[in-house]
Amino acid sequence: EPEVTQTPSHQVTQMGQEVILRCVPISNHLYFYWYRQILGQKVEFLVSFYNNEISEKSEIFDDQFSVERPDGSNFTLKIRSTKLEDSAMYFCASSVTGPEKLFFGSGTQLSVL
Amino acid sequence: AQSVTQPDIHITVSEGASLELRCNYSYGATPYLFWYVQSPGQGLQLLLKYFSGDTLVQGIKGFEAEFKRSQSSFNLRKPSVHWSDAAEYFCAVALTGGGNKLTFGTGTQLKVEL
Repeated sequence: EPEVTQTPSHQVTQMGQEVILRCVPISNHLYFYWYRQILGQKVEFLVSFYNNEISEKSEIFDDQFSVERPDGSNFTLKIRSTKLEDSAMYFCASSVTGPEKLFFGSGTQLSVL
Repeated sequence: AQSVTQPDIHITVSEGASLELRCNYSYGATPYLFWYVQSPGQGLQLLLKYFSGDTLVQGIKGFEAEFKRSQSSFNLRKPSVHWSDAAEYFCAVALTGGGNKLTFGTGTQLKVEL
């Protein structure tokens, strides 16, 4: 069965550093998402991406965050200057049609020290 | 404000016992409703979903859920729990008519005693 692949599985960084989280969505999918889950809290929507542009973003997704689909297969989340509170599990998801059936990756655990 | 509530943070059941996980939502209209499961170290896997029609929906791994409009609930059930069902379960909603995101509840951690 096709799956969404995320790399790396764990990322440790220093506060203020830039990080790029990478995702390879399922190949025929058109909608792409990033969610995050801070330890002990709910899974939160960050951003959705369709037709090479952001279609919706949450209040969490401020100017420090950006997304890109650089080559038609990868989907990246960049955090420009990480803060301690950015420590979380970040999930990428993709879909053919929208939120009706999302396929999630296994996540990248980001630790900001 | 729109919200999804899972009132039980932790639930422990014995293997073979029945299970019901609660989910309530607060939205202006009936949203799309989902249950996801997250095993340790894994991503979120869709168990089942409700869009319209029959209010009792069947999912994978022997799970089912019933939508009750009058109670704004979408509770997940399984008649006989297996040890491998131990995981975290998330209820989620998406707005009908073009909403683009899932809103998740806080999750219920299920422990299965042998």
